[in-house]
Amino acid sequence: GAVVSQHPSRVICKSGTSVKIECRSLDFQATTMFWYRQFPKKSLMLMATSNEGSKATYEQGVEKDKFLINHASLTLSTLTVTSAHPEDSSFYICSPGVAPEETQYFGPGTRLLVL
Amino acid sequence: GENVEQHPSTLSVQEGDSAVIKCTYSDSASNYFPWYKQELGKGPQLIIDIRSNVGEKKDQRIAVTLNKTAKHFSLHITETQPEDSAVYFCAATGGSYIPTFGRGTSLIVHP
Repeated sequence: GAVVSQHPSRVICKSGTSVKIECRSLDFQATTMFWYRQFPKKSLMLMATSNEGSKATYEQGVEKDKFLINHASLTLSTLTVTSAHPEDSSFYICSPGVAPEETQYFGPGTRLLVL
Repeated sequence: GENVEQHPSTLSVQEGDSAVIKCTYSDSASNYFPWYKQELGKGPQLIIDIRSNVGEKKDQRIAVTLNKTAKHFSLHITETQPEDSAVYFCAATGGSYIPTFGRGTSLIVHP
């Protein structure tokens, strides 16, 4: 299956700072990347869909100015949490978009803790 | 849109017993149903999947069944082991290229 990496795996930051999370598709050219957020003991919540070379599509209720997404190439998408607050603490997971009926693979996730 | 219901939310079994997790979906256009295992602090890992042209699929101790008429599919794990303890998610896709996930089942296998 597709190999997806995320960096960093975990990050602790102070409130008010910005954090960038990188997602790389190592063996798959991803024209689309899904970004999910997961709270403890909860399911995956789709935040946005990044598109290579164009603007990301955000799900309802997700602030696009808060969660900046860049999809610079077919193998790299980044999520930047700007002016992070404690309520942004969560587990963030990326996943290359695939066609319907195709297997979706996930990155290992990034644990963000905002103090 | 698609709605996926997953039950139970928590399942506790003794080592060696079988475990069954059930999901229902609402969109008849959905035709691909993967199951993911997520261990603590890690991303979901695909463990088995089934497409709508198949009613059952098995991979060693894991099997999935699909009833398209009733719009439900189930994960069966036999001879459970402590390392099977994790959260399991079902998903449905096909009607939209964005999958819809169930809420997850926390499986606990007691030694």
